[in-house]
Amino acid sequence: EIVLTQSPTTMAASPGEKVTITCRASSSVSYMHWFQQKSGTSPKPWIYDTSKLASGVPDRFSGSGSGTSYSLTISSMEAEDAATYYCLQRSSYPPTFGAGTKLELK
Amino acid sequence: QVQLKESGPGLVQPSETLSLTCTVSGFSLTSYSVSWVRQPSGKGPEWMGRMWYDGDTAYNSALKSRLSISRDTSKNQVFLKMNSLQTDDTGTYYCTRDGPGRDFDYWGQGVMVTVSS
Repeated sequence: EIVLTQSPTTMAASPGEKVTITCRASSSVSYMHWFQQKSGTSPKPWIYDTSKLASGVPDRFSGSGSGTSYSLTISSMEAEDAATYYCLQRSSYPPTFGAGTKLELK
Repeated sequence: QVQLKESGPGLVQPSETLSLTCTVSGFSLTSYSVSWVRQPSGKGPEWMGRMWYDGDTAYNSALKSRLSISRDTSKNQVFLKMNSLQTDDTGTYYCTRDGPGRDFDYWGQGVMVTVSS
């Protein structure tokens, strides 16, 4: 199975700061998908097909990448963005998730 | 609107069998697939298996020997059964809707399962 490695594991950002979260795959994948999860709630689809924002996701979020390296970027951190973000690949069976990046507000 | 809701016991004894039900509304099980995903506390989600819209099933090979997924379309329900539970099976279990090109597009609220004597 394809292993997804996220970095950093945890980070803190100040309001207005640019944030980049990376997801590296053990083998090449066609697309990467991202989910946001806040404490006590279910994961929410956030970015799909590498760069498409799910409904309701602010346009300060963006996604990019190809092959084995993908990233999620927040252009300007806001308090509501504090959450854990997970990457997902479904190019190869079984679908696999990363271990998560916990983003905190500084 | 699309909704999924998991139900089942919160506590299971080691070596026993876990039985969970996912009740869906707002879509048809013959048009969309449903996956089961679990998440240990503080860790990433793990895909367990899928009931395809056509009635076929797919399983994560790591769990395949212990896992069974079935459905009752008349009741809009998908079922999970997993045997020989151990403490590392503790976590939150979710069912999700899998749309065309958009797996995991809707999630249930999850059910917390603790494996303990």
